[in-house]
Amino acid sequence: QVQLVQSGAEVKKPGASVKVSCKASGYTFTSYGISWVRQAPGQGLEWMGWISAYNGNTNYAQKLQGRVTMTTDTSTSTAYMELRSLRSDDTAVYYCARGSIAAAIDYWGQGTLVTVSS
Amino acid sequence: SYELTQPLSVSVALGQTARITCGGNNIGSKNVHWYQQKPGQAPVLVIYRDSNRPSGIPERFSGSNSGNTATLTIRRAQAGDEADYYCQVWDSSSVVFGGGTKLTVL
Repeated sequence: QVQLVQSGAEVKKPGASVKVSCKASGYTFTSYGISWVRQAPGQGLEWMGWISAYNGNTNYAQKLQGRVTMTTDTSTSTAYMELRSLRSDDTAVYYCARGSIAAAIDYWGQGTLVTVSS
Repeated sequence: SYELTQPLSVSVALGQTARITCGGNNIGSKNVHWYQQKPGQAPVLVIYRDSNRPSGIPERFSGSNSGNTATLTIRRAQAGDEADYYCQVWDSSSVVFGGGTKLTVL
């Protein structure tokens, strides 16, 4: 069965960086892309960007351009999302999710809580 | 940028039909996907490409999309359907989510 297993919770200070991993199993990793979606406490879903696991092409949300980098490691079927220059309003649960361009997001990871606090 | 508008909340009596709308400019020309999210859990896809149900989603869930409004319909609402629901489209190679609707089953 398809599974996306994310790394554990993180606590970071303002200005620091965080890198969240997402290990995929149960399907051919390079046949799909990975979207990253975050959700601040009590808020809705915010799309951060998408990466093709086939060729590494990326689309980032304009709001995060310059602060976010998404990568994949096809040898381990793992996707990564790095967010830099963290601020308190980056505190959120971060999800990785499987999906291709123009398609639905059909499987989600369990989420990773990132807390930014001094 | 493209925007999707959902009501903040919808209430439905147990066993009745709930309808959650998602408004967007000419949304009928796009594929709309719907997600259910219960507290403390990751979202779950319940409708894809306007009206298709993934495996394991009850037939009580259906969707439609025309003009400027897409609609998620939940028939014979159950207590377990109480959740937040989000619509989603792709626009200019970006994912756009609606703000979410909290469904309360009375």
